[in-house]
Amino acid sequence: AQTVTQSQPEMSVQEAETVTLSCTYDTSESNYYLFWYKQPPSRQMILVIRQEAYKQQNATENRFSVNFQKAAKSFSLKISDSQLGDTAMYFCAFIRGSEKLVFGKGTKLTVNP
Amino acid sequence: DVKVTQSSRYLVKRTGEKVFLECVQDMDHENMFWYRQDPGLGLRLIYFSYDVKMKEKGDIPEGYSVSREKKERFSLILESASTNQTSMYLCASSLPMSVTDTQYFGPGTRLTVL
Repeated sequence: AQTVTQSQPEMSVQEAETVTLSCTYDTSESNYYLFWYKQPPSRQMILVIRQEAYKQQNATENRFSVNFQKAAKSFSLKISDSQLGDTAMYFCAFIRGSEKLVFGKGTKLTVNP
Repeated sequence: DVKVTQSSRYLVKRTGEKVFLECVQDMDHENMFWYRQDPGLGLRLIYFSYDVKMKEKGDIPEGYSVSREKKERFSLILESASTNQTSMYLCASSLPMSVTDTQYFGPGTRLTVL
């Protein structure tokens, strides 16, 4: 069975600093997709960034970037220039042909002023 | 923008009641999903549907059923609510994975069963 592990239940960072959230996954598939979703307090879950496993280049979306290490099955999220609005639960997720997302347990990130 | 709406943000029910949670999406998505979110457990898939009247069990289907009579609407049914079903329920929708793999989520329904 596919699993996704987020080893940091909670993290905090000062505004304007950089923070990295960790995620590892387990699969025997060669082609799959990885995601980071963000769930702000009392607000809708939204997609932050996605990575296709067959692409070696790390995905980037503005201040958000990933470090995808396929051999190590690692998919960390880096948030640069952290803002108060980045405070949220962050979920790492994985999907392959079954079309069913498998989520990690989440990391609660707090950005402090 | 894709919009996924859920019928209630907060719901309080009594043990043994039949509970309906409704989800509607306005983007003609084939796939729809129901998740349960609990602290420390992340999101767990209850059921999903890839077409009208089609459904598949997810990881934790026990105690739940679903209905999809129209493409835009996916209902989660708790036949006889129990206190261990107190949770946040999230609905999501997506196009088939052959088109895109991104799921769009509703705002969630926080259900309390007393």
